[in-house]
Amino acid sequence: GQQLNQSPQSMFIQEGEDVSMNCTSSSIFNTWLWYKQDPGEGPVLLIALYKAGELTSNGRLTAQFGITRKDSFLNISASIPSDVGIYFCAGQEAGGFKTIFGAGTRLFVKA
Amino acid sequence: DTAVSQTPKYLVTQMGNDKSIKCEQNLGHDTMYWYKQDSKKFLKIMFSYNNKELIINETVPNRFSPKSPDKAHLNLHINSLELGDSAVYFCASSLRTGQGYTFGSGTRLTVV
Repeated sequence: GQQLNQSPQSMFIQEGEDVSMNCTSSSIFNTWLWYKQDPGEGPVLLIALYKAGELTSNGRLTAQFGITRKDSFLNISASIPSDVGIYFCAGQEAGGFKTIFGAGTRLFVKA
Repeated sequence: DTAVSQTPKYLVTQMGNDKSIKCEQNLGHDTMYWYKQDSKKFLKIMFSYNNKELIINETVPNRFSPKSPDKAHLNLHINSLELGDSAVYFCASSLRTGQGYTFGSGTRLTVV
């Protein structure tokens, strides 16, 4: 079946550092989504991208929809302890019935 | 006022039992989903309903049966529970297909 490759699997960083994570796919997506999951909670939508090349920010978060439509990245600037969690990318094909999730990037921030 | 609420939050039950998980959304969304998250946190879609109509039915054992009495509710019934069914089950909704999801806070199912 279709898969998303999300990397890195985990990151250990110091507070104040910038973070970058990305996802690649073997097929084209019409939509890329980035979610964050805190322990004991459901994933929360951070950024949605609908057009190739689109660059969107949400506070300290910035995400881009790759021009090839097969990749996306998420950057977090000036990380803080509450950024700790699992970040998931997700992609939707044309028609959008099914959303496929990456395996997640576990972010650990040391104060 | 919770947007997507699912109950119960925790469910511990013995192998062979039948159990249900309920989900309700008050967002006016057309599409609802059930996802399973395993111990490695991998999220896999199980079912999707659009306006009460089943549109996605992944390779899920037929012991799992979703029911959508109206577009605000999507319940999941599981028959003859097995140890491998232990996971966190998330309900989610979206305004329409192709939009980002709003997830519930999950139901942690433990089969003993």
